[in-house]
Amino acid sequence: EDKVVQSPLSLVVHEGDTVTLNCSYEVTNFRSLLWYKQEKKAPTFLFMLTSSGIEKKSGRLSSILDKKELFSILNITATQTGDSAIYLCAVDHSGYALNFGKGTSLLVTP
Amino acid sequence: DAGVIQSPRHEVTEMGQEVTLRCKPISGHNSLFWYRQTMMRGLELLIYFNNNVPIDDSGMPEDRFSAKMPNASFSTLKIQPSEPRDSAVYFCASSFQGDGYTFGSGTRLTVV
Repeated sequence: EDKVVQSPLSLVVHEGDTVTLNCSYEVTNFRSLLWYKQEKKAPTFLFMLTSSGIEKKSGRLSSILDKKELFSILNITATQTGDSAIYLCAVDHSGYALNFGKGTSLLVTP
Repeated sequence: DAGVIQSPRHEVTEMGQEVTLRCKPISGHNSLFWYRQTMMRGLELLIYFNNNVPIDDSGMPEDRFSAKMPNASFSTLKIQPSEPRDSAVYFCASSFQGDGYTFGSGTRLTVV
């Protein structure tokens, strides 16, 4: 059965800290791995990763994929309270639908 | 583009009633997905359509759930009869050939 597992399930940090969120997967026919940020409403797209070892970066956020070990990490440096959200990892293994992990709930305190 | 549009935003209904959720995908997108999100199970794929045809409905929990896509710009998810355990946020998403995956704002369903 295809699986996407995220860790930790929740995390509380202080502003300015650096956090690393983990996503491991077991799927057949892997095509890509995606990260989303979910605040109060719909998940919003952060990154799509298809190749191992190539870091994607957007401001203080970065992500990398390891297709040999079947995992990805999402790093957030110099965290701010606005980074508080649920971060979702999803794997595209069909070319159509995404298989989501349960998410990591991040709380950044002032 | 207005994005993926879902209605209603909130729905409160009594157990046993029929509930219909609606979705308008992004124009030009040819795939549409219905997800359900709960604290316990996270985001679960219920069904997806490609070019208005249901491709995989294995995630639909029971016969009480049905989905239709009569044309490229509209889809419905119906629950009949509804039960309290159906309470969740239901998201619709659309994409073009698996790219540009975009979620709607969701419908928060409460069945009492």
